[in-house]
Amino acid sequence: GAGVSQSPSNKVTEKGKDVELRCDPISGHTALYWYRQSLGQGLEFLIYFQGNSAPDKSGLPSDRFSAERTGGSVSTLTIQRTQQEDSAVYLCASSLGRVGGPNTGELFFGEGSRLTVL
Amino acid sequence: GQQLNQSPQSMFIQEGEDVSMNCTSSSIFNTWLWYKQDPGEGPVLLIALYKAGELTSNGRLTAQFGITRKDSFLNISASIPSDVGIYFCAGQNYGGSQGNLIFGKGTKLSVKP
Repeated sequence: GAGVSQSPSNKVTEKGKDVELRCDPISGHTALYWYRQSLGQGLEFLIYFQGNSAPDKSGLPSDRFSAERTGGSVSTLTIQRTQQEDSAVYLCASSLGRVGGPNTGELFFGEGSRLTVL
Repeated sequence: GQQLNQSPQSMFIQEGEDVSMNCTSSSIFNTWLWYKQDPGEGPVLLIALYKAGELTSNGRLTAQFGITRKDSFLNISASIPSDVGIYFCAGQNYGGSQGNLIFGKGTKLSVKP
């Protein structure tokens, strides 16, 4: 497809289980972001990938959260030992990401993965 | 770190009314952007502003990049029901934190009961 694709769209899991959320960015986009959005709230930055540079992990809330991006394309966000407070919508976005260029703020978002931890 | 103050947090609109919202910061930004999020979807870019003082329109939407580089506003004229949703401002600084991009906390537009 032409847009950012996220899967699964919905995930219900039990407390303590691990979950993986996947993001397929737009082809050719070198920058990839993960955000978390709790119900009715704003966008909480989690992690940012830009090309082959070391990712900016400054937003990951705990060491239970990790993300990787393979081959500069698909990204996976992993949450280990899920807790109820992890319940939220996890949004992925990509952009052309030309470092120092004007387009890096023009993000294209996926529809999100809604995670519910029981 | 850099923060954006977006106001109002929420507002109710009646069809036909004009709407105004803004974002301010104590830091300067190179780019200001406005996004809209409909329920159950990801945010979508509405307007991007690249020069201080720039005024840009997109249909009934008008946005301005403040001359001090520390603020931006978004106006919606003659609102219609499909304007409801959450509007986010974002400021970009090359080489800044969080992937160069800081988001405001959003302005939620609802229809007056």
